[in-house]
Amino acid sequence: ETGVTQSPTHLIKTRGQQVTLRCSSQSGHNTVSWYQQALGQGPQFIFQYYREEENGRGNFPPRFSGLQFPNYSSELNVNALELDDSALYLCASNLKRERSYNEQFFGPGTRLTVL
Amino acid sequence: QKEVEQNSGPLSVPEGAIASLNCTYSDRVSQSFFWYRQYSGKSPELIMSIYSNGDKEDGRFTAQLNKASQYVSLLIRDSQPSDSATYLCAVKKRDNYGQNFVFGPGTRLSVLP
Repeated sequence: ETGVTQSPTHLIKTRGQQVTLRCSSQSGHNTVSWYQQALGQGPQFIFQYYREEENGRGNFPPRFSGLQFPNYSSELNVNALELDDSALYLCASNLKRERSYNEQFFGPGTRLTVL
Repeated sequence: QKEVEQNSGPLSVPEGAIASLNCTYSDRVSQSFFWYRQYSGKSPELIMSIYSNGDKEDGRFTAQLNKASQYVSLLIRDSQPSDSATYLCAVKKRDNYGQNFVFGPGTRLSVLP
């Protein structure tokens, strides 16, 4: 158990819809990252939030957006869903601090299927 | 050139053998390296982290890092069928806009009883 939780576990949406995925970070962790993992591939970095502000972004379009809240929870929002958005969405948290190696711990993921 | 490369496998080893998993990375200033194990349908689980050149051992696992060659490996001794999974190599990079981890595509390991 990593202390990172995600909801929902599975989700089915249709093309063009919007979706919100949720994550609760490990207590005390001030940094959360979101990843998209397509079948048979490694996780792809979407973005990272540190102290409630976006602190890094991968090669994903603006329709992927996020929020981080003071209670260590966060959200990933995806607008105008496309078929290629079908994937496992992973949330990972870590404690960002000086001279730390920032090991990330993943939640169980949300499996999103877009029809 | 991809930032983090791994052989996709599958790598098959008999039970009790040593499994050797390899990873190369392109960003020379990368400083932290991680191995994750991912069972089918599950999320990645951190099993090893390494930051300095040389070897780091934890139980049956040994991570090896060679920054000059931009190479990191994972050895699994006395492989067990329960080690059958996909192993992901991850590199922590620092760029001008925050930090992020870059993952390789993973190597699928199959340990045969």
